[in-house]
Amino acid sequence: GQQVMQIPQYQHVQEGEDFTTYCNSSTTLSNIQWYKQRPGGHPVFLIQLVKSGEVKKQKRLTFQFGEAKKNSSLHITATQTTDVGTYFCAGGGSGTYKYIFGTGTRLKVLA
Amino acid sequence: NAGVTQTPKFQVLKTGQSMTLQCAQDMNHEYMSWYRQDPGMGLRLIHYSVGAGITDQGEVPNGYNVSRSTTEDFPLRLLSAAPSQTSVYFCASSFGTRALGEQFFGPGTRLTVL
Repeated sequence: GQQVMQIPQYQHVQEGEDFTTYCNSSTTLSNIQWYKQRPGGHPVFLIQLVKSGEVKKQKRLTFQFGEAKKNSSLHITATQTTDVGTYFCAGGGSGTYKYIFGTGTRLKVLA
Repeated sequence: NAGVTQTPKFQVLKTGQSMTLQCAQDMNHEYMSWYRQDPGMGLRLIHYSVGAGITDQGEVPNGYNVSRSTTEDFPLRLLSAAPSQTSVYFCASSFGTRALGEQFFGPGTRLTVL
């Protein structure tokens, strides 16, 4: 079945450093979503990418969808303490209503 | 709008007991789903529904039942609880069914099975 791997599992950065998490699917995706979950909270939607090679930006966050639609990345520029949390990707397969979540990358930002 | 609501927030069960986790949304979303979240394993899809009367299995459906009699409600039933079902359960909803968009998650139910 479809699998979605996410690396790294953990990342500690100093405030102001950049951060990147990578998501890789075993199958071609129809689209990919990214979520952020604060400690003790629930996942909150960040963005959805649909097109091959798509790049979207939200302030300090840059999201990319690979040309083959099998991988994606989230890059945060100049991290802040408010960026702390776990970032998940969720891959949607073609012709299915199932989203398979990656295992997540837990980000800690040291002030 | 209340968004997606879940009850209870916490629950402790003994092995073999049954219970229902409640989920409701007031956004008129067609798509609803249940996930479980275990440490280091992300979120795994249990069951989902694309509309009233229509449900289907996700990645880890064994031990769980669902039904969707109304657009608003999507309860998850544990038939005979087992310690392996100790987890945090999230319900989510989304507007579209042809092309799913943003999923809105509820606050979660933390379940412990002794």
